[in-house]
Amino acid sequence: NAGVTQTPKFRVLKTGQSMTLLCAQDMNHEYMYWYRQDPGMGLRLIHYSVGEGTTAKGEVPDGYNVSRLKKQNFLLGLESAAPSQTSVYFCASSYRTGGPYEQYFGPGTRLTVT
Amino acid sequence: DAKTTQPPSMDCAEGRAANLPCNHSTISGNEYVYWYRQIHSQGPQYIIHGLKNNETNEMASLIITEDRKSSTLILPHATLRDTAVYYCIVMDSNYQLIWGAGTKLIIKP
Repeated sequence: NAGVTQTPKFRVLKTGQSMTLLCAQDMNHEYMYWYRQDPGMGLRLIHYSVGEGTTAKGEVPDGYNVSRLKKQNFLLGLESAAPSQTSVYFCASSYRTGGPYEQYFGPGTRLTVT
Repeated sequence: DAKTTQPPSMDCAEGRAANLPCNHSTISGNEYVYWYRQIHSQGPQYIIHGLKNNETNEMASLIITEDRKSSTLILPHATLRDTAVYYCIVMDSNYQLIWGAGTKLIIKP
């Protein structure tokens, strides 16, 4: 039982390049989330998914796209990377949202855009 | 949407109880309070949650005031491995967690 895994762990991009971050969970959770965390700050929600084939915008969705083609995977895409997207990206999953349901987090992806 | 207020940092001696306060004065009656922690930029880790009653698990205790406007997370016997940023969190109207900057807890030997 690996929990939540993220690929890659580190990445350096040049401005304008694109990339996809992969999140996988093996807990059969319905809900999945992508957050970003900038230095000294809490997490901010980018996009989330309430089930296979569905996605929704979070607090800071601009510049990102997501897809949830399989229940266990949640992909985060950057079509044209900008230096402002330099951050640590965390994926999480949960059985439900609201109420007594905890989120399980991956180890993070450290992205630098030059 | 409810928000939380936490002190930016706290110290605690190893072996003593660490008491982390949180103010959530605008919380509504059916909103839970959640606590997570983040050790050295790792992924956040769930600790505990509560609604109205005090709660205890193997990691910590959560004391919620009767008016639900504040709560305290208690680590009963803090160790050096408890050094982390602790987040007190409530949800927004879309049932998503609202993360503040948290409290940086430093356990000193």
